[in-house]
Amino acid sequence: EIVLTQSPGTLSLSPGERATLSCRASQSVSSSYLAWYQQKPGQAPRLLIYGASSRATGIPDRFSGSGSGTDFTLTISRLEPEDFAVYYCQQYGSSPFFGGGTKVEIK
Amino acid sequence: QVQLVESGGGLVKPGGSLRLSCAASGFTFSDYYMSWIRQAPGKGLEWVSYISSSGSTIYYADSVKGRFTISRDNAKNSLYLQMNSLRAEDTAVYYCARWQQWLVRYFDYWGQGTLVTVSS
Repeated sequence: EIVLTQSPGTLSLSPGERATLSCRASQSVSSSYLAWYQQKPGQAPRLLIYGASSRATGIPDRFSGSGSGTDFTLTISRLEPEDFAVYYCQQYGSSPFFGGGTKVEIK
Repeated sequence: QVQLVESGGGLVKPGGSLRLSCAASGFTFSDYYMSWIRQAPGKGLEWVSYISSSGSTIYYADSVKGRFTISRDNAKNSLYLQMNSLRAEDTAVYYCARWQQWLVRYFDYWGQGTLVTVSS
């Protein structure tokens, strides 16, 4: 079973700063099967990125995804107030599986 | 627009049963795989089960296999999750989500969730 490890657990940043979130898989994963989600308190997760680097409909271009093999990154180029949330990566091996999440909080 | 609305959550005793429903609208339900994902209070996301567009292919997480049953009624645009032999660790918000299965793998639309609490 593939394990996804997200780091850091918490990222403390100020609005306008750049956020770099990591998702590492325990074995190589197809880039086609790597997605990122954003979740705000009391809300359902929202798809941000699929196929490792494709933005979902309506997602601002300050969000970008990259990576391949075992190492994937979600970058938020300039944090807006509404971007402070928890972010999850997700892969598909024999079944869907999520990483533990990274919380992006206001510094 | 795509809408997914879950219902059926509530408080149930350990060992009890509950049936969740998800009403879909805004897309051709019978064309898509669907899934259930849960989130325990203060925890991360855990995939529970998915079902193919026709209902012929079904997968479960090991944690619910043998206790939960996913099904769908394409005529009613509805997805279901029958949960039996419930345990305290099944306490979570249960989300219904549309699962993209062709060439890529991701959940593109999610409902708002329904809370299931297993407690005596």
